[in-house]
Amino acid sequence: GQQLNQSPQSMFIQEGEDVSMNCTSSSIFNTWLWYKQDPGEGPVLLIALYKAGELTSNGRLTAQFGITRKDSFLNISASIPSDVGIYFCAGPLSGGSYIPTFGRGTSLIVHP
Amino acid sequence: DTGVSQDPRHKITKRGQNVTFRCDPISEHNRLYWYRQTLGQGPEFLTYFQNEAQLEKSRLLSDRFSAERPKGSFSTLEIQRTEQGDSAMYLCASSLVEWGAETQYFGPGTRLLVL
Repeated sequence: GQQLNQSPQSMFIQEGEDVSMNCTSSSIFNTWLWYKQDPGEGPVLLIALYKAGELTSNGRLTAQFGITRKDSFLNISASIPSDVGIYFCAGPLSGGSYIPTFGRGTSLIVHP
Repeated sequence: DTGVSQDPRHKITKRGQNVTFRCDPISEHNRLYWYRQTLGQGPEFLTYFQNEAQLEKSRLLSDRFSAERPKGSFSTLEIQRTEQGDSAMYLCASSLVEWGAETQYFGPGTRLLVL
């Protein structure tokens, strides 16, 4: 079953606001991935993190790999309507597993 | 477009029928994954291939499900004797393992509805 806890489950914000979401696990991960999924489409990779403590940006998106390797966060600055979608964290468990586990997602709605 | 492609994008079938989905990965990627996603959930792993070898299968993959990747390129996922509970989005992803790191790229999915 799923071993990642994503929060919040959903967010309703105004255009221009900053957004923060996170992902935690009771297990250690050796990679953290953040995806965005639009309705009826497959997830699209936003940011990949490979080292504990790593902080990576992609435009208005910033993600960090937690020092404990059990958590990660994703921030979106100055949100715009096209940021609407479901954001998933994912990662393979440490110990050689190649199979990523996905969180249940954070649904983001941006009001213009 | 050189991304992952899936066909068909939508499939409606009657319970008991067989269905087959196809995935074409990114050409240089050696790994190919199949996932199932239901409403309100993240993708759940079904199986994956390293080149043409099927290396791991989830317990979710009942004996009615079979996947192949005969030449290490495209893959097919077949569901026999479909049940209403099989209704879901079936996602394919491919990846290239480099320097010990792996990043998956997803296709647009095939949405299955079993009536």
